[in-house]
Amino acid sequence: DSGVTQTPKHLITATGQRVTLRCSPRSGDLSVYWYQQSLDQGLQFLIQYYNGEERAKGNILERFSAQQFPDLHSELNLSSLELGDSALYFCASSERGDDTQYFGPGTRLTVL
Amino acid sequence: GEDVEQSLFLSVREGDSSVINCTYTDSSSTYLYWYKQEPGAGLQLLTYIFSNMDMKQDQRLTVLLNKKDKHLSLRIADTQTGDSAIYFCAEAPTGRRALTFGSGTRLQVQP
Repeated sequence: DSGVTQTPKHLITATGQRVTLRCSPRSGDLSVYWYQQSLDQGLQFLIQYYNGEERAKGNILERFSAQQFPDLHSELNLSSLELGDSALYFCASSERGDDTQYFGPGTRLTVL
Repeated sequence: GEDVEQSLFLSVREGDSSVINCTYTDSSSTYLYWYKQEPGAGLQLLTYIFSNMDMKQDQRLTVLLNKKDKHLSLRIADTQTGDSAIYFCAEAPTGRRALTFGSGTRLQVQP
């Protein structure tokens, strides 16, 4: 158990819908990262937050957005969902934002 | 650009040693990581090595780094059936905080 928690574990929704994935970092970690794991793209970095501020951006679609709240938990919002958004979404956290990342168990999103 | 490459599949017998290889292209990578993913589970950090090291040993795991060839390997001694999983190599280039992952090597351990 890494100490990073993600909810929900599974999410099934329809095309065009909007969903919110939640992540709580390890105690003491200030930075949160979001990654997407799909069969065709592998593991790809989406976005990073550090102490509430966006720190780095990767291959994140404009339909996706994220934020980190004052209590350091983070939410990833996915809207206008398409079939191709079906994937495993991982959250990771680290203490300083440039150090070792610890991953949560992931949220499996299925878009029908 | 950066690209991390791994072979897709490795099959070994229980009790043998497993060696999983990885090549990377970004010579500025400060840390290189190995993560393990079991079916239906998240990514578990196994070990990491700092770029100024050649080798790191942690119980049954040995990481070797050849910076000249940009080659990283993970050796698992006395491989067990519980080691069956997908192993990902990842790099963290200096100045970038995101990890770049390889495609993963599926290790199958036969009894």
